[in-house]
Amino acid sequence: AQSVAQPEDQVNVAEGNPLTVKCTYSVSGNPYLFWYVQYPNRGLQFLLKYITGDNLVKGSYGFEAEFNKSQTSFHLKKPSALVSDSALYFCAVRDPGSYIPTFGRGTSLIVHP
Amino acid sequence: EAQVTQNPRYLITVTGKKLTVTCSQNMNHEYMSWYRQDPGLGLRQIYYSMNVEVTDKGDVPEGYKVSRKEKRNFPLILESPSPNQTSLYFCASSFGQYTGELFFGEGSRLTVL
Repeated sequence: AQSVAQPEDQVNVAEGNPLTVKCTYSVSGNPYLFWYVQYPNRGLQFLLKYITGDNLVKGSYGFEAEFNKSQTSFHLKKPSALVSDSALYFCAVRDPGSYIPTFGRGTSLIVHP
Repeated sequence: EAQVTQNPRYLITVTGKKLTVTCSQNMNHEYMSWYRQDPGLGLRQIYYSMNVEVTDKGDVPEGYKVSRKEKRNFPLILESPSPNQTSLYFCASSFGQYTGELFFGEGSRLTVL
């Protein structure tokens, strides 16, 4: 069975500081990993994904994530946070061969001016 | 513009009154799916479809039906809604069944009284 955990319900960071939103996963094979962002009253938008290859993945809006197989983690990062980055972030995992992705419960990122 | 369109965006109904939430995508995606989003639970998949006339249950299919008669449309049907189906619903589509990222609609907020 596949699962994903986002251990923090909320992350607070000051504008201009680096941010990290954590995600850990559990799958039986090599994982397919995704990050999505949800702004208020909007649908989810794709940020980045890891399928295979380079462990450091770069995505939209300056975000990046690092796949760490030994720690089963896929943390989302950004070097310098913007107030406009404030949103709900979801990590998702898909086991190869599974048609059903599993989403984390989401982490609310609040960037203070 | 590439998009997934859901209707209605907001709906208040009463227990037992059948309703349909429509979903249409203009990206020629083969894979489509429905999710519900509830506080503290993240997103859970209700049903998915890999192609026309091919549908299957997700994690929480009870009380829902779907159909896929055309590639672009994937309606969600609640034949006898109950209050525990009050939720925020998202339709999503993607190119790839496993590795493709999901494109989400804007969401349909349903309240069942």
